[in-house]
Amino acid sequence: ETGVTQSPTHLIKTRGQQVTLRCSSQSGHNTVSWYQQALGQGPQFIFQYYREEENGRGNFPPRFSGLQFPNYSSELNVNALELDDSALYLCASSIDRRVGTQYFGPGTRLTVL
Amino acid sequence: SQQGEEDPQALSIQEGENATMNCSYKTSINNLQWYRQNSGRGLVHLILIRSNEREKHSGRLRVTLDTSKKSSSLLITASRAADTASYFCATSGSRDDKIIFGKGTRLHILP
Repeated sequence: ETGVTQSPTHLIKTRGQQVTLRCSSQSGHNTVSWYQQALGQGPQFIFQYYREEENGRGNFPPRFSGLQFPNYSSELNVNALELDDSALYLCASSIDRRVGTQYFGPGTRLTVL
Repeated sequence: SQQGEEDPQALSIQEGENATMNCSYKTSINNLQWYRQNSGRGLVHLILIRSNEREKHSGRLRVTLDTSKKSSSLLITASRAADTASYFCATSGSRDDKIIFGKGTRLHILP
Protein backbone atom coordinates (compact mmCIF):
# COMPACT_ATOMS: atom_id res chain seq x y z
CA GLU A 1 0.00 0.00 0.00
CA THR A 2 1.57 3.28 -1.11
CA GLY A 3 1.17 6.45 0.90
CA VAL A 4 0.22 9.92 -0.25
CA THR A 5 2.76 11.47 -2.59
CA GLN A 6 3.10 15.04 -3.79
CA SER A 7 5.08 16.70 -6.54
CA PRO A 8 7.13 18.73 -6.85
CA THR A 9 8.86 18.95 -3.47
CA HIS A 10 9.89 22.56 -3.94
CA LEU A 11 8.88 25.22 -6.42
CA ILE A 12 9.90 28.82 -7.02
CA LYS A 13 7.64 31.09 -9.06
CA THR A 14 7.33 34.81 -9.64
CA ARG A 15 4.33 36.97 -8.89
CA GLY A 16 1.61 36.71 -11.53
CA GLN A 17 2.59 33.24 -12.72
CA GLN A 18 0.46 30.13 -12.49
CA VAL A 19 1.33 26.88 -10.71
CA THR A 20 0.03 23.31 -10.65
CA LEU A 21 0.68 21.01 -7.73
CA ARG A 22 -0.02 17.30 -7.85
CA CYS A 23 -1.09 14.70 -5.35
CA SER A 24 -1.52 10.94 -5.53
CA SER A 25 -3.89 9.65 -2.90
CA GLN A 26 -3.35 6.55 -0.82
CA SER A 27 -4.62 3.34 -2.38
CA GLY A 28 -8.32 2.81 -1.67
CA HIS A 29 -8.99 6.45 -0.76
CA ASN A 30 -11.57 8.42 -2.76
CA THR A 31 -11.29 11.78 -1.00
CA VAL A 32 -8.52 14.36 -1.27
CA SER A 33 -8.22 17.59 0.70
CA TRP A 34 -5.79 20.43 0.10
CA TYR A 35 -4.34 22.71 2.76
CA GLN A 36 -2.15 25.80 2.77
CA GLN A 37 0.25 26.15 5.69
CA ALA A 38 2.05 29.43 6.20
CA LEU A 39 5.19 29.47 8.31
CA GLY A 40 4.39 29.06 11.99
CA GLN A 41 0.69 28.49 11.38
CA GLY A 42 -1.64 25.52 11.24
CA PRO A 43 -2.88 24.15 7.92
CA GLN A 44 -5.76 26.14 6.37
CA PHE A 45 -8.38 24.16 4.47
CA ILE A 46 -8.52 25.10 0.76
CA PHE A 47 -10.99 22.53 -0.61
CA GLN A 48 -11.88 18.87 -0.72
CA TYR A 49 -12.63 16.57 -3.63
CA TYR A 50 -14.77 13.48 -3.32
CA ARG A 51 -15.22 11.16 -6.31
CA GLU A 52 -14.11 13.91 -8.73
CA GLU A 53 -16.50 16.55 -7.36
CA GLU A 54 -15.64 19.52 -5.13
CA ASN A 55 -17.05 18.76 -1.68
CA GLY A 56 -16.45 21.87 0.37
CA ARG A 57 -14.25 24.92 0.11
CA GLY A 58 -12.49 27.17 2.59
CA ASN A 59 -11.98 30.94 2.41
CA PHE A 60 -9.77 31.00 -0.64
CA PRO A 61 -10.36 33.08 -3.80
CA PRO A 62 -11.42 31.50 -7.12
CA ARG A 63 -7.85 31.69 -8.44
CA PHE A 64 -7.32 28.57 -6.30
CA SER A 65 -8.89 25.71 -8.23
CA GLY A 66 -8.60 21.98 -8.31
CA LEU A 67 -9.32 18.74 -10.06
CA GLN A 68 -9.69 15.14 -9.07
CA PHE A 69 -9.16 12.41 -11.62
CA PRO A 70 -10.87 9.00 -11.97
CA ASN A 71 -7.94 7.35 -10.17
CA TYR A 72 -8.56 9.86 -7.30
CA SER A 73 -5.29 11.69 -7.77
CA SER A 74 -5.67 15.44 -7.64
CA GLU A 75 -4.25 18.76 -8.77
CA LEU A 76 -4.24 22.16 -7.14
CA ASN A 77 -3.95 25.11 -9.52
CA VAL A 78 -3.19 28.63 -8.42
CA ASN A 79 -3.43 31.49 -10.93
CA ALA A 80 -2.03 35.01 -10.68
CA LEU A 81 0.36 34.11 -7.88
CA GLU A 82 0.82 36.61 -5.07
CA LEU A 83 3.68 36.89 -2.58
CA ASP A 84 1.35 35.72 0.21
CA ASP A 85 0.81 32.44 -1.62
CA SER A 86 4.27 31.38 -0.47
CA ALA A 87 3.58 28.44 1.84
CA LEU A 88 3.70 24.69 2.28
CA TYR A 89 0.84 23.07 0.37
CA LEU A 90 -0.37 19.83 1.85
CA CYS A 91 -2.55 17.20 0.32
CA ALA A 92 -4.36 14.62 2.44
CA SER A 93 -6.43 11.63 1.43
CA SER A 94 -9.06 9.72 3.35
CA ILE A 95 -11.10 6.58 2.82
CA ASP A 96 -14.32 8.53 2.55
CA ARG A 97 -15.41 12.11 2.92
CA ARG A 98 -17.07 11.45 6.29
CA VAL A 99 -14.19 9.57 7.89
CA GLY A 100 -12.12 11.84 10.12
CA THR A 101 -8.62 10.47 9.78
CA GLN A 102 -6.59 11.99 6.97
CA TYR A 103 -3.28 10.77 5.62
CA PHE A 104 -0.97 13.56 4.58
CA GLY A 105 1.64 13.79 1.90
CA PRO A 106 5.01 15.45 2.57
CA GLY A 107 3.91 18.73 1.01
CA THR A 108 5.10 21.08 -1.70
CA ARG A 109 7.01 24.16 -0.59
CA LEU A 110 6.03 27.06 -2.88
CA THR A 111 8.02 30.27 -2.88
CA VAL A 112 6.67 33.27 -4.80
CA LEU A 113 9.19 36.00 -5.55
CA SER B 1 -10.40 31.21 10.48
CA GLN B 2 -9.09 28.52 12.79
CA GLN B 3 -11.35 26.60 15.12
CA GLY B 4 -8.87 25.16 17.58
CA GLU B 5 -6.43 27.06 19.71
CA GLU B 6 -3.57 25.13 21.24
CA ASP B 7 -1.96 26.09 24.50
CA PRO B 8 0.89 26.59 25.12
CA GLN B 9 2.30 27.85 21.83
CA ALA B 10 5.68 26.39 22.73
CA LEU B 11 6.86 23.93 25.37
CA SER B 12 10.33 22.73 26.34
CA ILE B 13 10.75 19.82 28.75
CA GLN B 14 13.44 17.37 29.78
CA GLU B 15 13.54 13.95 28.21
CA GLY B 16 11.58 11.52 30.32
CA GLU B 17 9.11 14.10 31.61
CA ASN B 18 5.46 14.23 30.61
CA ALA B 19 4.21 16.84 28.14
CA THR B 20 0.68 18.20 28.21
CA MET B 21 -0.87 20.29 25.46
CA ASN B 22 -4.34 21.77 25.44
CA CYS B 23 -6.78 22.66 22.70
CA SER B 24 -9.89 24.79 22.92
CA TYR B 25 -12.51 25.14 20.21
CA LYS B 26 -15.62 27.22 19.64
CA THR B 27 -18.41 25.28 17.97
CA SER B 28 -19.90 21.81 18.33
CA ILE B 29 -17.86 18.99 16.87
CA ASN B 30 -18.21 15.44 15.58
CA ASN B 31 -14.70 14.49 16.52
CA LEU B 32 -11.34 15.96 17.43
CA GLN B 33 -7.98 14.74 16.22
CA TRP B 34 -4.38 15.33 17.14
CA TYR B 35 -1.63 15.41 14.53
CA ARG B 36 2.15 15.69 14.74
CA GLN B 37 4.35 17.54 12.25
CA ASN B 38 8.11 17.24 12.07
CA SER B 39 10.18 20.06 10.57
CA GLY B 40 7.44 21.60 8.44
CA ARG B 41 6.70 18.42 6.51
CA GLY B 42 3.56 16.30 6.26
CA LEU B 43 1.33 15.73 9.26
CA VAL B 44 1.01 12.36 10.97
CA HIS B 45 -2.29 11.35 12.51
CA LEU B 46 -1.95 10.46 16.20
CA ILE B 47 -5.40 9.90 17.62
CA LEU B 48 -9.08 10.63 16.97
CA ILE B 49 -11.60 11.07 19.75
CA ARG B 50 -15.32 11.26 19.03
CA SER B 51 -17.65 13.74 20.66
CA ASN B 52 -19.27 11.00 22.78
CA GLU B 53 -15.92 9.81 24.15
CA ARG B 54 -14.12 11.33 27.12
CA GLU B 55 -10.71 9.68 27.05
CA LYS B 56 -8.60 7.67 24.65
CA HIS B 57 -5.19 6.06 24.87
CA SER B 58 -2.65 5.07 22.25
CA GLY B 59 0.75 3.90 23.49
CA ARG B 60 2.31 6.83 25.39
CA LEU B 61 -0.47 9.17 24.29
CA ARG B 62 -3.55 10.02 26.31
CA VAL B 63 -6.23 12.34 24.95
CA THR B 64 -9.17 13.72 26.89
CA LEU B 65 -12.18 15.58 25.59
CA ASP B 66 -14.53 17.80 27.58
CA THR B 67 -17.34 18.90 25.29
CA SER B 68 -18.94 21.02 28.02
CA LYS B 69 -15.77 23.13 28.16
CA LYS B 70 -15.03 22.71 24.45
CA SER B 71 -11.52 21.59 25.23
CA SER B 72 -9.16 18.66 24.76
CA SER B 73 -5.76 17.76 26.10
CA LEU B 74 -2.94 15.61 24.75
CA LEU B 75 -0.59 14.01 27.24
CA ILE B 76 2.66 12.43 26.09
CA THR B 77 4.20 10.36 28.85
CA ALA B 78 7.91 9.59 29.26
CA SER B 79 8.90 11.97 26.47
CA ARG B 80 11.71 11.14 24.04
CA ALA B 81 13.90 13.26 21.77
CA ALA B 82 11.91 11.93 18.80
CA ASP B 83 8.76 13.57 20.21
CA THR B 84 10.20 16.98 19.31
CA ALA B 85 7.68 18.31 16.79
CA SER B 86 4.67 20.58 16.36
CA TYR B 87 1.36 19.18 17.56
CA PHE B 88 -1.98 20.29 16.13
CA CYS B 89 -5.53 19.67 17.16
CA ALA B 90 -8.11 19.49 14.39
CA THR B 91 -11.88 19.51 14.69
CA SER B 92 -14.59 18.15 12.43
CA GLY B 93 -17.99 19.81 12.73
CA SER B 94 -21.34 18.11 12.66
CA ARG B 95 -22.48 20.07 9.60
CA ASP B 96 -19.69 19.50 7.14
CA ASP B 97 -16.71 17.37 6.39
CA LYS B 98 -14.01 20.00 6.77
CA ILE B 99 -11.23 19.54 9.26
CA ILE B 100 -10.15 22.78 10.90
CA PHE B 101 -6.68 22.98 12.44
CA GLY B 102 -5.37 25.08 15.27
CA LYS B 103 -2.05 26.95 15.21
CA GLY B 104 -0.18 24.21 17.02
CA THR B 105 2.09 23.69 20.00
CA ARG B 106 5.83 23.45 19.32
CA LEU B 107 7.26 20.82 21.64
CA HIS B 108 11.00 20.60 22.24
CA ILE B 109 12.43 17.72 24.24
CA LEU B 110 15.73 18.58 25.88
CA PRO B 111 18.36 15.83 26.28
